[in-house]
Amino acid sequence: QVQLVQSGAEVKKPGASVNISCKASGYTFTSYYMHWVRQAPGQGLEWMGLINPSVGITSYAQKFQGRVTMTRDMSTSTVYMEPSSLRSEDTAVYYCARPYYDFWSGSPDRNWFDPWGQGTLVTVSS
Amino acid sequence: DIQMTQSPSTLSASVGDRVTITCRASQSISSWLAWYQQKPGKAPKVLIYKASNLESGVPSRFSGSGSGTEFTLTISSLQPDDFATYYCQQYNSYPYTFGQGTKLEIK
Repeated sequence: QVQLVQSGAEVKKPGASVNISCKASGYTFTSYYMHWVRQAPGQGLEWMGLINPSVGITSYAQKFQGRVTMTRDMSTSTVYMEPSSLRSEDTAVYYCARPYYDFWSGSPDRNWFDPWGQGTLVTVSS
Repeated sequence: DIQMTQSPSTLSASVGDRVTITCRASQSISSWLAWYQQKPGKAPKVLIYKASNLESGVPSRFSGSGSGTEFTLTISSLQPDDFATYYCQQYNSYPYTFGQGTKLEIK
């Protein structure tokens, strides 16, 4: 079955960066975008951006431009998301989420998310 | 960016009640709207896509309606497992945006 498995929780100091992984299985990795969504404690969901694993092209929400880098490793079907210059406000659960449709079944840019990874808690504290 | 506004923020209801959650978009999104259910410590789970289509495996007591800028999620008869937080999401255009959430509590 389709599965997204994320790396474990992290504790970082302000100013540091962190690398979160999301390993995909059960489908053709290069046929779907991968998105990242974050959720601060007790708050709502915030879309951060996406990566096209086939060619490595990324698109970030304006808020995260220059502060987040998304990459992929096709050999292991894994995407990575690296927020940098962490601040206390970056304390959140970070989710990877795959769109329902692949690039050829429907509109790749109009897609809901199914499935989601289990989430990775990043705590930023001095 | 398209702003999504959900109401109410909190809803207290009893098992067996019929409840409705509303989501308004700041501009037309046609029917490009999904509803998710989230339980504490878990990832969101899609219930409804394209405004009114029930995801496979989701109980038929959940339904969605609307188009353009106004959408609703209705639970026809609340069950104990339904007490959770619900989010709408527009996927008409990037950046995708979510409503702020509606927490459904037991009365």
